[in-house]
Amino acid sequence: DTGVSQDPRHKITKRGQNVTFRCDPISEHNRLYWYRQTLGQGPEFLTYFQNEAQLEKSRLLSDRFSAERPKGSFSTLEIQRTEQGDSAMYLCASSSTSGSYNEQFFGPGTRLTVL
Amino acid sequence: DQQVKQNSPSLSVQEGRISILNCDYTNSMFDYFLWYKKYPAEGPTFLISISSIKDKNEDGRFTVFLNKSAKHLSLHIVPSQPGDSAVYFCAAKYTGGFKTIFGAGTRLFVKA
Repeated sequence: DTGVSQDPRHKITKRGQNVTFRCDPISEHNRLYWYRQTLGQGPEFLTYFQNEAQLEKSRLLSDRFSAERPKGSFSTLEIQRTEQGDSAMYLCASSSTSGSYNEQFFGPGTRLTVL
Repeated sequence: DQQVKQNSPSLSVQEGRISILNCDYTNSMFDYFLWYKKYPAEGPTFLISISSIKDKNEDGRFTVFLNKSAKHLSLHIVPSQPGDSAVYFCAAKYTGGFKTIFGAGTRLFVKA
């Protein structure tokens, strides 16, 4: 399977703990996005990477959130000092600058539950 | 500030009939619109898109219509099939922007 993969699929943590999620995009895609989705809502944009450069961050991404994409391959999203309001599905997507660049390919998501 | 709105949380349609999913947007800068479909426990998958220079785009059973003056687009599925039952997200972006703005989604039920 050469689609976008995310790990873990589910994470349960206690308030105040740090968590880290990983995303492996489609190998030839140089664009990578992180979204957050809560119940009854659509995906909300968090941040965007082109290769290893983080080119845009949403105001939703507070200073407790940090994302990296070393070497322009996989990406990690870390949440420090988690709060109950961080409970959501975190989606990763990737796309290519060639062809239909507007189409993003999504991973299955990581569901975070903060107790 | 919801820039992309899907006002119908759910829609139920009989198999073989037409499904029409609606979407409204507020930002005049948007020039590209997309529809994604999402099954449970999966990420959204791209379905069809339309550029603002067009008013219609068709792909098999799926057609998207864009009315720029009304800032409205719709997705038509004809004929509807039970496998089309999913959540459909309308999304929009503008040239030079990196983010895609999604609506809240409409859950489609196609009854056999």
